[in-house]
Amino acid sequence: EADIYQTPRYLVIGTGKKITLECSQTMGHDKMYWYQQDPGMELHLIHYSYGVNSTEKGDLSSESTVSRIRTEHFPLTLESARPSHTSQYLCASSGTGGLNEQYFGPGTRLTVT
Amino acid sequence: GENVEQHPSTLSVQEGDSAVIKCTYSDSASNYFPWYKQELGKRPQLIIDIRSNVGEKKDQRIAVTLNKTAKHFSLHITETQPEDSAVYFCAAPMDTGRRALTFGSGTRLQVQP
Repeated sequence: EADIYQTPRYLVIGTGKKITLECSQTMGHDKMYWYQQDPGMELHLIHYSYGVNSTEKGDLSSESTVSRIRTEHFPLTLESARPSHTSQYLCASSGTGGLNEQYFGPGTRLTVT
Repeated sequence: GENVEQHPSTLSVQEGDSAVIKCTYSDSASNYFPWYKQELGKRPQLIIDIRSNVGEKKDQRIAVTLNKTAKHFSLHITETQPEDSAVYFCAAPMDTGRRALTFGSGTRLQVQP
């Protein structure tokens, strides 16, 4: 079934650790996005990509990095986790052409202690 | 970049009443305006969108209107039901490249039975 997947769903980690949040989609979409969202609050765009080997920074200043080596895979890496990174991270993808529907993954809830 | 403002932040209505949520945007060249619904603990999902070549779009109990002159667009929900209770987000293209969206701050709608 075509969908967008995120792992892990929940992560508790200590300050200073390096972490990678995984996002994969089987929808054949070219555009992918990472958002940070505290529960029920505003969606802040962290990074996006409109194709392989393209990445752009979003509105939210972030200490994270992304890569897009394969169309279906868009991992987010935090080199050194801090308590201020505690939040939910949502991955999304959308299809070819101009702006259209974004499909969101289930999210990763990150807690940095 | 685009600036999207959304009002109200919370809205409580009685079941069967109508609900209206309004968003304003700053870039007159913006041409795509989606609305997303996020139920508690779930991922955001597109419920309706409108492009700048039309002034209104309807889908059963949901409608969106667009006023390009005033640079605002609104979500209208008629005959509200308890299952309409959720957080609703509007969005507009982030920049002239139009590959990403800027989201409004969200409206928490509570439908009282």
